[in-house]
Amino acid sequence: ETGVTQSPTHLIKTRGQQVTLRCSSQSGHNTVSWYQQALGQGPQFIFQYYREEENGRGNFPPRFSGLQFPNYSSELNVNALELDDSALYLCASTLDRATYEQYFGPGTRLTVT
Amino acid sequence: AQSVTQLGSHVSVSEGALVLLRCNYSSSVPPYLFWYVQYPNQGLQLLLKYTTGATLVKGINGFEAEFKKSETSFHLTKPSAHMSDAAEYFCAVTKGQAGTALIFGKGTTLSVSS
Repeated sequence: ETGVTQSPTHLIKTRGQQVTLRCSSQSGHNTVSWYQQALGQGPQFIFQYYREEENGRGNFPPRFSGLQFPNYSSELNVNALELDDSALYLCASTLDRATYEQYFGPGTRLTVT
Repeated sequence: AQSVTQLGSHVSVSEGALVLLRCNYSSSVPPYLFWYVQYPNQGLQLLLKYTTGATLVKGINGFEAEFKKSETSFHLTKPSAHMSDAAEYFCAVTKGQAGTALIFGKGTTLSVSS
């Protein structure tokens, strides 16, 4: 148990729709990262938030956006869904950035039809 | 740019046999290296990490890995496989700067037979 929870567990959306995925971290975990894991692939970095500010972004288009809240929860929003957005979305939180240790949640499985 | 290559997408061993999962990295700066395990329908769990210091790193569940700078490798080993070790294993690299992203390999599926 990492103390990182994600909701929902599974989600089915239609191409063109918008989706919001949620993540809740442990108290004090002020850094959260989001990753996309396509089937059979390793996770790919989407972006990271530190103290409610975006602190780094991977090679994902602007229709992927996020928010981090003071209560250590965060959101990943994806607009104009495409079929290729079907994947497992993982969030990971960090208590002490100096340890470089990220604690992952169980993920949200998004299917776009 | 940093990258990770995991040699062998699928490794099969017998229970009690040595486990060896290979990972090579590319990094223009001193790398920080990690191994994660993912069980079906679960998130990733940190097995072990190398940041600085001793190059042989011990992790949970009897796993260990050795950082070899000359070979740009960070292979994961376990002397004796258990059935419960069957899972997906990911090697990852990051720069030695707080808050930077993890760059993952494509993963190796470990199967353990009795």
